Amino acid sequence: GIQVEQSPPDLILQEGANSTLRCNFSDSVNNLQWFHQNPWGQLINLFYIPSGTKQNGRLSATTVATERYSLLYISSSQTTDSGVYFCAVEDLYDYKLSFGAGTTVTVRA
Amino acid sequence: DVKVTQSSRYLVKRTGEKVFLECVQDMDHENMFWYRQDPGLGLRLIYFSYDVKMKEKGDIPEGYSVSREKKERFSLILESASTNQTSMYLCASTTGAGGGYTFGSGTRLTVV
Repeated sequence: GIQVEQSPPDLILQEGANSTLRCNFSDSVNNLQWFHQNPWGQLINLFYIPSGTKQNGRLSATTVATERYSLLYISSSQTTDSGVYFCAVEDLYDYKLSFGAGTTVTVRA
Repeated sequence: DVKVTQSSRYLVKRTGEKVFLECVQDMDHENMFWYRQDPGLGLRLIYFSYDVKMKEKGDIPEGYSVSREKKERFSLILESASTNQTSMYLCASTTGAGGGYTFGSGTRLTVV
């Protein structure tokens, strides 16, 4: 299956700081999604971004499919941004998602 | 927005019990999935389904079965629950063909 690597594994931020999370994947994909897992365990879809750049408020994401990586940017971080961020890619030949191990973000007030 | 509903947020079951985890989606999605999430192991695919009465094994199907009698409902069945099935279970659906996934809120199952 497709290998998905996320970095860094852990990130501690002071409120107001900016940060970049990275996702590398090992093969061509149909789709890439970024999720935020809230403290109750639900996976909230942040971006569906197989290629290009998207922005949603303080969050933005860029996927360079030809180079097999994606970046998630968090600007002016807030304590509510804390949680685990997952990158997941969809295989070209079926609809299965392969997940990275996640980046745990802690934003301190 | 697509809504994926899992019937229980928390469940406690005894070893050997038959356990049903229910998942319902409201947007006529063809594809539905069951994952489990464990610390240090990430999210792993148990079973998935591309259509009614169809099912495919994922990466860790042992000890589980599924049922999809209606398009909107995908059930995960633990035939005889064991303590190593204590986990967070997540259901998801997608239209496929490049459509994004939507996940339910998860069920934390504890088997004692």
